[in-house]
Amino acid sequence: GEDVEQSLFLSVREGDSSVINCTYTDSSSTYLYWYKQEPGAGLQLLTYIFSNMDMKQDQRLTVLLNKKDKHLSLRIADTQTGDSAIYFCADKTGANNLFFGTGTRLTVIP
Amino acid sequence: DTEVTQTPKHLVMGMTNKKSLKCEQHMGHRAMYWYKQKAKKPPELMFVYSYEKLSINESVPSRFSPECPNSSLLNLHLHALQPEDSALYLCASSYGQGGSEAFFGQGTRLTVV
Repeated sequence: GEDVEQSLFLSVREGDSSVINCTYTDSSSTYLYWYKQEPGAGLQLLTYIFSNMDMKQDQRLTVLLNKKDKHLSLRIADTQTGDSAIYFCADKTGANNLFFGTGTRLTVIP
Repeated sequence: DTEVTQTPKHLVMGMTNKKSLKCEQHMGHRAMYWYKQKAKKPPELMFVYSYEKLSINESVPSRFSPECPNSSLLNLHLHALQPEDSALYLCASSYGQGGSEAFFGQGTRLTVV
């Protein structure tokens, strides 16, 4: 089955950039997503990228996709305390299932 | 409007109870999903409905019974659950199973006692 991996924790200082990384294994991935989850809440779709793109920018968010290495990253510019949350990458495979990574807990230090 | 609405937000039920979780969207999406999320874990897919027909069942026990009465509504009927079924249940929708954006509701926090 599909395996999506993320590092578990990331701490950054307010105002710095955060980079959250994700690797996946399924070569038939169609879309890759980044979701944000705050404590006790559902998943908020932040951004997504089609598998034939290598970069997408949306305000403070930049997504980079290296399809050859099956590596996805999310860069958050000027990180704020409100960005503290768990970030999940997710991979929609050719079978149209959505597989989630283990989640990265981002802590922003004031 | 990118809203997926789930009710109730919290539910406590006994092991002999029957209850239902509800999910609603008005975005014209034709694919709807149920996910289960345990604490400190990623969401795990349970069921997918595509055009009101069950297309994926990820080997979920029969004590969980999904229903899609129309294209806007998705239910999850619960019966004879176990304490280990306590979790956050998330509903999601997208334009189709191949659709790009998948939106999630806020979830129902279920506790089985």
